[in-house]
Amino acid sequence: EAQVTQNPRYLITVTGKKLTVTCSQNMNHEYMSWYRQDPGLGLRQIYYSMNVEVTDKGDVPEGYKVSRKEKRNFPLILESPSPNQTSLYFCASRPPRGREAFFGQGTRLTVV
Amino acid sequence: AQTVTQSQPEMSVQEAETVTLSCTYDTSESDYYLFWYKQPPSRQMILVIRQEAYKQQNATENRFSVNFQKAAKSFSLKISDSQLGDAAMYFCAYRSFGNEKLTFGTGTRLTIIP
Repeated sequence: EAQVTQNPRYLITVTGKKLTVTCSQNMNHEYMSWYRQDPGLGLRQIYYSMNVEVTDKGDVPEGYKVSRKEKRNFPLILESPSPNQTSLYFCASRPPRGREAFFGQGTRLTVV
Repeated sequence: AQTVTQSQPEMSVQEAETVTLSCTYDTSESDYYLFWYKQPPSRQMILVIRQEAYKQQNATENRFSVNFQKAAKSFSLKISDSQLGDAAMYFCAYRSFGNEKLTFGTGTRLTIIP
């Protein structure tokens, strides 16, 4: 089944403790993105990647890092999480000529 | 910068009736895509319908159709014969050609009244 898989689905952590949210897609898509969803703000892009080793900032990159060492994986790294990073996170992918993005199931992150 | 505005935070409709969700956007681009995504309580983002800006014909997917007014920069979603399973948050989104960023509106929560 074609899908984008995020892990974990839920995470509660403490301020300053480094964490990684994984994202993997099995559709051989070149383009991948991370978004965060906050009430009243919709979804906002954090980072995106056009291919292996090619990444760039989205609208809200502060406090996040990404890497794209393999085509299928695009992990989101929070090196020192803070409470304002409490949010619902989505990974998405699409092929270069594809119109729509395919989304993962979401990761609910709470930083206390 | 592109912006997407959904002016209706909440809407409700009687089951089997028709409802229209509004979306306006601002862009200086001429080539772009517009989307409606549905987010049920499961949180999954599900594509409902998409529209290419170069197409004059409004997109239709079963009970879902759009009214795309390019000059007015308006992209409304009409849901006909509303069903209980249509209850969800609906997001309007924009992406210009050659750009990887989806710009989302703030969403409209749709309630279906049995």
